[in-house]
Amino acid sequence: GQNIDQPTEMTATEGAIVQINCTYQTSGFNGLFWYQQHAGEAPTFLSYNVLDGLEEKGRFSSFLSRSKGYSYLLLKELQMKDSASYLCAVRDSNYQLIWGAGTKLIIKP
Amino acid sequence: ETGVTQTPRHLVMGMTNKKSLKCEQHLGHNAMYWYKQSAKKPLELMFVYSLEERVENNSVPSRFSPECPNSSHLFLHLHTLQPEDSALYLCASSQRVAGGYEQYFGPGTRLTVT
Repeated sequence: GQNIDQPTEMTATEGAIVQINCTYQTSGFNGLFWYQQHAGEAPTFLSYNVLDGLEEKGRFSSFLSRSKGYSYLLLKELQMKDSASYLCAVRDSNYQLIWGAGTKLIIKP
Repeated sequence: ETGVTQTPRHLVMGMTNKKSLKCEQHLGHNAMYWYKQSAKKPLELMFVYSLEERVENNSVPSRFSPECPNSSHLFLHLHTLQPEDSALYLCASSQRVAGGYEQYFGPGTRLTVT
């Protein structure tokens, strides 16, 4: 079966750095997405990786290793507004998006 | 404003009722999606439409019936639902189904089946 694993919950301190990991086992690979979802709101797109390496976008970076079936989302200079769930999703060989259950990130002052 | 709107935002219905969820995208996209989101579970893809043609139907019970009259509108018709169908129903759109095109989500309809 297809599976996306990410931690259920993480806690970090305002101003710090946090890394949210995602491992996947899917039928083929056609890209990996990260989305942010604040409580009661719609998911919003953060990043897309299809080749190995690091993609940097402001305070957020996303890394992919296809050989290891592994990605992480790195959030720097954490702000209280970064408290949200972070969803990892992989597009499989049929171009279907397989979603993880999300990581709830709690930021403390 | 995400460019994808959904109505209603909240819906309470009995198991014998019939209701419809509406989604509209103002982004000029060619693909639209229905997802179900339950607490602490991954997003479940229900239906995918590409250029108004259904291209994906992930073994969804027949009590859920989608309709895509044009590339900007998507409906989900509901009838004789079960309490376990209570969830957040999200609509999304993207430029295309394949490729690295991100999906833009609507705010969702919070459905409660009593």
